[in-house]
Amino acid sequence: ETGVTQTPRHLVMGMTNKKSLKCEQHLGHNAMYWYKQSAKKPLELMFVYSLEERVENNSVPSRFSPECPNSSHLFLHLHTLQPEDSALYLCASSQGPKGPPGANVLTFGAGSRLTVL
Amino acid sequence: AQKVTQAQTEISVVEKEDVTLDCVYETRDTTYYLFWYKQPPSGELVFLIRRNSFDEQNEISGRYSWNFQKSTSSFNFTITASQVVDSAVYFCALSEVRDSSYKLIFGSGTRLLVRP
Repeated sequence: ETGVTQTPRHLVMGMTNKKSLKCEQHLGHNAMYWYKQSAKKPLELMFVYSLEERVENNSVPSRFSPECPNSSHLFLHLHTLQPEDSALYLCASSQGPKGPPGANVLTFGAGSRLTVL
Repeated sequence: AQKVTQAQTEISVVEKEDVTLDCVYETRDTTYYLFWYKQPPSGELVFLIRRNSFDEQNEISGRYSWNFQKSTSSFNFTITASQVVDSAVYFCALSEVRDSSYKLIFGSGTRLLVRP
């Protein structure tokens, strides 16, 4: 049990579907993150929420829509995705910032493996 | 721009061998943090270590040790007497310290396979 739980662990969807990935953290952290991990590419930061406010948005296409209703929950809403969006989507959380946010240690979930047909 | 290079894509060793994973970084900032994370087959990345740019002391934690060399912009990770359970993908990461930046830049990872 990592303290960060992601559901579903696996998702297969067509390009016209709408689905959502869910992340829940039980650590009392106040920042949450979405990362994308594609084959043979470095992990890419997608979004960061701090105290439920979006503080980073890394030029992610609008077909990905994050939602952070409270500090324990983070969603990634998926709409009309492309096959190249197939990847492992990792959620993370951190406590901070006490000091610079870049110093934060992230706790990751096990990821949601997304396949877009 | 920030950049983290892990030149070793995959390393295979026999159990009990020592292995070093290389990490070279680029940054223009004088203040930054370096991290190592481990990603076992289960998927979640597990934090191993964080160093700030002003602390060049090497660190040892059990069979793990880290060698931070600012002069060569390297932060290498050595596993002594490797075990099968060490098999995983290891990521080096860099974070610049700015007022409001949460960006953690990862290297492409090194897959370590420890054979019995």
